Amino acid sequence: DGGITQSPKYLFRKEGQNVTLSCEQNLNHDAMYWYRQDPGQGLRLIYYSQIVNDFQKGDIAEGYSVSREKKESFPLTVTSAQKNPTAFYLCASGTYEQYFGPGTRLTVT
Amino acid sequence: AQSVSQHNHHVILSEAASLELGCNYSYGGTVNLFWYVQYPGQHLQLLLKYFSGDPLVKGIKGFEAEFIKSKFSFNLRKPSVQWSDTAEYFCAVIWYNNNDMRFGAGTRLTVKP
Repeated sequence: DGGITQSPKYLFRKEGQNVTLSCEQNLNHDAMYWYRQDPGQGLRLIYYSQIVNDFQKGDIAEGYSVSREKKESFPLTVTSAQKNPTAFYLCASGTYEQYFGPGTRLTVT
Repeated sequence: AQSVSQHNHHVILSEAASLELGCNYSYGGTVNLFWYVQYPGQHLQLLLKYFSGDPLVKGIKGFEAEFIKSKFSFNLRKPSVQWSDTAEYFCAVIWYNNNDMRFGAGTRLTVKP
C-alpha cells in the first residue's frame, strides 16, 4: 500500500527531553512537510523539504529540527527549547497536492 | 504573508440541512485550492481540489466547491448533510509563485441526527 506512516500514534515525554517523531513515505514524493495542529488554529507549517538533503523553516520552526537524508524519511525532533510542545503533529508529502499521515499526538508533562 | 480565512469556527446543522462553508484566500497569483476533512479520530483526507478548468468542482460524498476568482473564494457546499458528515473541515491553498501552502483555521461541523 502506498502512503505515509507516522509513528508512534501517541508519545509521552517529560519536559526537558528531546523527542523524535518518525515520518516515512513510499509515494516517491520529493517534497515532505511537518505541520502542527492545535485546536482552532488549523495546521501550521514547521519545516518542509523539497528534496533530499535540503529543508526550509516554516512559520513555527523555533524549537524544532529536521533532517532529510533519504527521500522516504523526514524525521522531526522536538527539542527542549520548544516552549509548548504538546500538540498533534502531521507529516505530509507531495508537491501540488499533499497527502497526510495519521499523525502523532505528543504530550509533554 | 499569504493567508487563508475560514469564516465559521463551528457550524451546527440538523440532518438534511444544506451546508455552505466559506473560504477566502489572499491574492498571490495562480493557486491550487483544496478542501480536506478530518473525521473524529481519523487523519486528514482530501475532499476535493481545484487546479484549473471548471470552477465548480465535485468531490467525494456529495460535496462540491466553487472557485470564484474575483472574490478569492472557494466555498464548500453540500445540499443535504448527514450525521456522518460531522467532522472538521479545512480549506487549503497553494500559491504557484512560491509553492507556499497555507491552511485555514478549520470549521467544525456538527450534524444533529
